[in-house]
Amino acid sequence: DSGVTQTPKHLITATGQRVTLRCSPRSGDLSVYWYQQSLDQGLQFLIHYYNGEERAKGNILERFSAQQFPDLHSELNLSSLELGDSALYFCASSETQGLLTGELFFGEGSRLTVL
Amino acid sequence: GQSLEQPSEVTAVEGAIVQINCTYQTSGFYGLSWYQQHDGGAPTFLSYNALDGLEETGRFSSFLSRSDSYGYLLLQELQMKDSASYFCAVLNQAGTALIFGKGTTLSVSS
Repeated sequence: DSGVTQTPKHLITATGQRVTLRCSPRSGDLSVYWYQQSLDQGLQFLIHYYNGEERAKGNILERFSAQQFPDLHSELNLSSLELGDSALYFCASSETQGLLTGELFFGEGSRLTVL
Repeated sequence: GQSLEQPSEVTAVEGAIVQINCTYQTSGFYGLSWYQQHDGGAPTFLSYNALDGLEETGRFSSFLSRSDSYGYLLLQELQMKDSASYFCAVLNQAGTALIFGKGTTLSVSS
């Protein structure tokens, strides 16, 4: 158990809908990262928040947005969903803003299925 | 930007040794990480090399050559439970995100 909690574990929805994925980082970690993993694909970096502020942006679509709240939990909002958005969405956390040891702690992921 | 290349699949038998290679291109290099992911599960951190050479942690070792932009993960005394996907990763230029390769699926058979 990494200490990172993600909800929901599974989500099935229809095209055009909007969903929110939630992540609670490990106790004491200020950084939260979101990754998308599609079938047979690697982990695609989406976005990084540190202590409530956006720090880095990857290949995140305009239909997607995220935020980190004062209690450090984060939410990833996916809107106007398309079939291709079906994927595993992982949240990860680290203590510092910079990854000095290359180590992230990943949650178990949220599996999104868009029908 | 960053790009990483690793083989898509590797197969081996129990008790054998397997090496998973990773070559990378990045505009600013800090170090090379390795992660293990069992089918659909959470990726877990295995190792991080910032300097050239071999780092050993039990049955797993990781090597880095900064001059060759190359590293590998060495798994010894393979067990069935080692069947998983293995990802190499580097930091982005600002050091604020890990960029992963597409992963290598290791299948261990008896």
